[in-house]
Amino acid sequence: QLHLQESGPGLVKPSETLSLICTVSGGSVRTTAYAWGWVRQPPGKGLEWIGSMYYTGHTYYNPSLESRVTMSVDTSKNQFSLQLSSVAAADTAVYYCALPERGVWGQGALVTVSS
Amino acid sequence: EIVMTQSPATLSVSPGERATLSCRASQSVRNNLAWFQQKPGQAPRLLINGASTRATGIPARFSGGGSGTEFTLDISSLQSEDFALYYCMQYNNWYTFGQGTKLELK
Repeated sequence: QLHLQESGPGLVKPSETLSLICTVSGGSVRTTAYAWGWVRQPPGKGLEWIGSMYYTGHTYYNPSLESRVTMSVDTSKNQFSLQLSSVAAADTAVYYCALPERGVWGQGALVTVSS
Repeated sequence: EIVMTQSPATLSVSPGERATLSCRASQSVRNNLAWFQQKPGQAPRLLINGASTRATGIPARFSGGGSGTEFTLDISSLQSEDFALYYCMQYNNWYTFGQGTKLELK
């Protein structure tokens, strides 16, 4: 059974880059069966898809975030990662790594953008 | 971008009664529609995918219907643990979520 776990700093300064890692267990990130994704949820608000990627390197980003998002995969560590540049207070959210329609979600990582 | 609109924003229902939540897509998503339940401090829990297929372990009182642009989630005989936030999500063209329906105790 697939299990996802987010990790990374909980506090990021404005204008800096947010970086999160998702560790995959119970399966291999080296599959083309699905694309590994990130979803975020600002406090008290709804869910927003950030992007998804296949381990082959093909990436697909939400157009509203595309200019600031980079996703990558590390097959040696069975992990995939998210970078969001030039963050502002509006990027404060719980960030989930997920295979949404398969019902596989990490527990979420709260990232606060503040000086 | 496919816009998902859920209604109502809040639904007040008594335990034991039935609740019907609606979700509309701005263009056809075929049957690539999922429903999630979310409780405070928890990740979303998949209830339904393929518009009408219950996920593993989901009670039979949850049922999904619809296709194309109009979808519903029915919860028959509400239990105390069912009062939560519910989101629909299309995955026909990557992902878009509805804004959510809060199911509250009447």
